[in-house]
Amino acid sequence: DAKTTQPPSMDCAEGRAANLPCNHSTISGNEYVYWYRQIHSQGPQYIIHGLKNNETNEMASLIITEDRKSSTLILPHATLRDTAVYYCIVSNSNRDDKIIFGKGTRLHILP
Amino acid sequence: GAVVSQHPSWVICKSGTSVKIECRSLDFQATTMFWYRQFPKQSLMLMATSNEGSKATYEQGVEKDKFLINHASLTLSTLTVTSAHPEDSSFYICSAIRPLGRETQYFGPGTRLLVL
Repeated sequence: DAKTTQPPSMDCAEGRAANLPCNHSTISGNEYVYWYRQIHSQGPQYIIHGLKNNETNEMASLIITEDRKSSTLILPHATLRDTAVYYCIVSNSNRDDKIIFGKGTRLHILP
Repeated sequence: GAVVSQHPSWVICKSGTSVKIECRSLDFQATTMFWYRQFPKQSLMLMATSNEGSKATYEQGVEKDKFLINHASLTLSTLTVTSAHPEDSSFYICSAIRPLGRETQYFGPGTRLLVL
């Protein structure tokens, strides 16, 4: 079973920041938080990952709470092309550690 | 970012035939690759873990004799759907692990299989 809980869907206006929450209350000390997204009929795309510090890259920012039991993915200026299913995953990133996908959040960007 | 390719991108076959899907890591070596299956409006389901030079590890409920996996090199894993039936029609996706500070999985574009 997936170790994360996400809202099934969210709407966001184009140009605004999209904030996608994720609960991972059973995360263990050596597990990272990963975010992927899947645009319709494509393979998942890696977005960002982090352990306990906040992270930022060219795509998004990841905010992890101090107790690491939840996190938020932030898309700073959402565009229509950001419409996708977003998956939050916890993994200890060992070479053989498999990713179990939950149902994710379907993000709709509204024009 | 790292590139993982799949071939073919889509395939239509008759019931009872076998179909081979290739997964390649184009700019890195991957000792471990994964195969997923995705039915319409559902999430990805892990089928098996493919390890270079050794037997694949299958998830519970996945028939290893039906879904043959070969990982003969550090850049290529193949999935063969043997004696395909209409219920095997699905979107098959592979992923490969590339070190990125920590190990990160990169996914292929997927292969859509339709069995008639």
